[in-house]
Amino acid sequence: AQKVTQAQTEISVVEKEDVTLDCVYETRDTTYYLFWYKQPPSGELVFLIRRNSFDEQNEISGRYSWNFQKSTSSFNFTITASQVVDSAVYFCALRESGAGSYQLTFGKGTKLSVIP
Amino acid sequence: EPEVTQTPSHQVTQMGQEVILRCVPISNHLYFYWYRQILGQKVEFLVSFYNNEISEKSEIFDDQFSVERPDGSNFTLKIRSTKLEDSAMYFCASSDIGQSSYEQYFGPGTRLTVT
Repeated sequence: AQKVTQAQTEISVVEKEDVTLDCVYETRDTTYYLFWYKQPPSGELVFLIRRNSFDEQNEISGRYSWNFQKSTSSFNFTITASQVVDSAVYFCALRESGAGSYQLTFGKGTKLSVIP
Repeated sequence: EPEVTQTPSHQVTQMGQEVILRCVPISNHLYFYWYRQILGQKVEFLVSFYNNEISEKSEIFDDQFSVERPDGSNFTLKIRSTKLEDSAMYFCASSDIGQSSYEQYFGPGTRLTVT
C-alpha cells in the first residue's frame, strides 16, 4: 500500500531564510504522481504542483522549487527567501496509477511558521 | 478563476442526527471526491465518484455515508447517523479528465462538529 512520510512536524524560520520540506513516499507502482498542497490558516487546500514519476526533472516556480529523486523516493520542496505569507501547513501527497484508483494519500503535513 | 464551493462552512449537529454536506465542483470537471481531516491530523480519502457512481471508497466510508449528484451541479455527502468521531473538516474536490484528472482542486471545506 502507498504511504507518504513527512518527518518534519513543525519548522520555524526567520523571514528571508530558505527552508526545505521533506517528503518520502512508498509505492509499488512504477507509474505514480506526487503533489504538494498548501493549507494556510484559513483552512483551504491549495494545489501547488504535480510531478509524474516518469519525469524526474526538477521544477522551479518563483521562490518555490521541487527536487524529485526517484532513487531515494523523495520529493522535497524548497522555499527560497521565505515570507510570512508562506506560513501554512504543507502536505505532500501520492496517487498511484492503478485503474480506478483516484485517491490521494497524504502525509501528515509540515507546519511552517515564518517569523518576521 | 473557477473554484470548488462548499456549504455550509460550519455545521453543528447532535449525535445521531443526519447531515448533508454540499459541494459545487468546478463546472467542467467529471471526477468528484470527498476527503476529511480530523483536527490536527492528515487529510484522508473517503470516496471518489465518476459517471454517477462510486469509483473508489476507503474503509472510513462505511454504510453511514453516502454520496449523490442530485443535479448537474451539486455533489453531496450524507452522514446518516452522526457520531462524535465524525467531527472533522470535510473537503470536496474535483478534477478534469485525461492528464488533468490527476490534479484535484479542493473546496474550502465544511467543519462538522458533532456534539
